[in-house]
Amino acid sequence: KAGVTQTPRYLIKTRGQQVTLSCSPISGHRSVSWYQQTPGQGLQFLFEYFSETQRNKGNFPGRFSGRQFSNSRSEMNVSTLELGDSALYLCASSVVWNTEAFFGQGTRLTVV
Amino acid sequence: DQQVKQNSPSLSVQEGRISILNCDYTNSMFDYFLWYKKYPAEGPTFLISISSIKDKNEDGRFTVFLNKSAKHLSLHIVPSQPGDSAVYFCAASEGGANSKLTFGKGITLSVRP
Repeated sequence: KAGVTQTPRYLIKTRGQQVTLSCSPISGHRSVSWYQQTPGQGLQFLFEYFSETQRNKGNFPGRFSGRQFSNSRSEMNVSTLELGDSALYLCASSVVWNTEAFFGQGTRLTVV
Repeated sequence: DQQVKQNSPSLSVQEGRISILNCDYTNSMFDYFLWYKKYPAEGPTFLISISSIKDKNEDGRFTVFLNKSAKHLSLHIVPSQPGDSAVYFCAASEGGANSKLTFGKGITLSVRP
């Protein structure tokens, strides 16, 4: 059974640009969550999607957005990139909410 | 306000001995707890979980204990192996509609051969 797949693995962007990250969950998993990991803040929740609906949102500015498609694949978008957005972005999928979440390998975003 | 705290940033143990990783939480609404292991440049790997209706859950070398009155949980690894060296994250969820995971900052475990 394939795991959670995130693309791309690495990305370098310039301040002010926008970026789209992709996540394919484990087959059969309908919940997809996104997290940001930075050395100072640890793992912080961005948002969660279930059946194409955003169910929960963390404390991030509106520049961070996401969506989920009918096949449960999800994308997150960050507009007007700032240097502080440099981080490892992790996607996790689970069958439904409140079950074990399985993480992808992440996308390392560097903003220069 | 940090709702999940892993107060010790690192732990070093001898191979074959027990590793005990601690985690404290402040939110009394948390009812589901998980431990993840993470290697550099990889996503966290799920290890073991426990529901608030239990006080212990065991899976092979890994056992998680939950003390709800003290708002404390711990992960025991017995026996510890060099391959267990990684960063361990404790996470908690309120469950239901608010199922986001709140993570601690992690603890780096080093198992010495």
